[in-house]
Amino acid sequence: SQKIEQNSEALNIQEGKTATLTCNYTNYSPAYLQWYRQDPGRGPVFLLLIRENEKEKRKERLKVTFDTTLKQSLFHITASQPADSATYLCARGNSGNTPLVFGKGTRLSVIA
Amino acid sequence: GAVVSQHPSRVICKSGTSVKIECRSLDFQATTMFWYRQFPKQSLMLMATSNEGSKATYEQGVEKDKFLINHASLTLSTLTVTSAHPEDSSFYICSARVHGDNEQFFGPGTRLTVL
Repeated sequence: SQKIEQNSEALNIQEGKTATLTCNYTNYSPAYLQWYRQDPGRGPVFLLLIRENEKEKRKERLKVTFDTTLKQSLFHITASQPADSATYLCARGNSGNTPLVFGKGTRLSVIA
Repeated sequence: GAVVSQHPSRVICKSGTSVKIECRSLDFQATTMFWYRQFPKQSLMLMATSNEGSKATYEQGVEKDKFLINHASLTLSTLTVTSAHPEDSSFYICSARVHGDNEQFFGPGTRLTVL
């Protein structure tokens, strides 16, 4: 079955440093991977989508990579701020109307 | 960006009653809506996929007679938890997608507590 694994349940980082979150997938490569931010008691908010044929995508302080050899996506937040503290979810998707499959998320805490 | 709303945001009900949750896409037409359930410190678990005008497709283990889904228009889907019990207490989240688009937009969620 298709799985998404976010091995780190929690990550603590000092303000100003780069946070790096890992997402691994099993079996065949998904058509795309998506990253979401979720705050406590709120729905997920879409951040970035990266397709299978893209190696890297950037948006302001965010950067996502897609490595089909390692079956892995890395999510980076540069110059991290306490306001970046949240749970970050990785999800795999395929073309058509198939639903996303979500990982368990990594809870990031940026310490001032 | 696209906005999805949910109503109510929080509901407390007695065991045995039914609860209806609404999910609306406010500024776009959603051909597909998804319903998820999330328990504390767990990931989102897909319950069902709903396409406008057709019956919902339920995930394995989700009782279709207990979780009634109606997607009558391109901007509204409803989830009714029938005869709710304490074990149904959870955070229910909907999401919407435009046909042919990969991005999913999530609602703010509904916290259901069954006493």
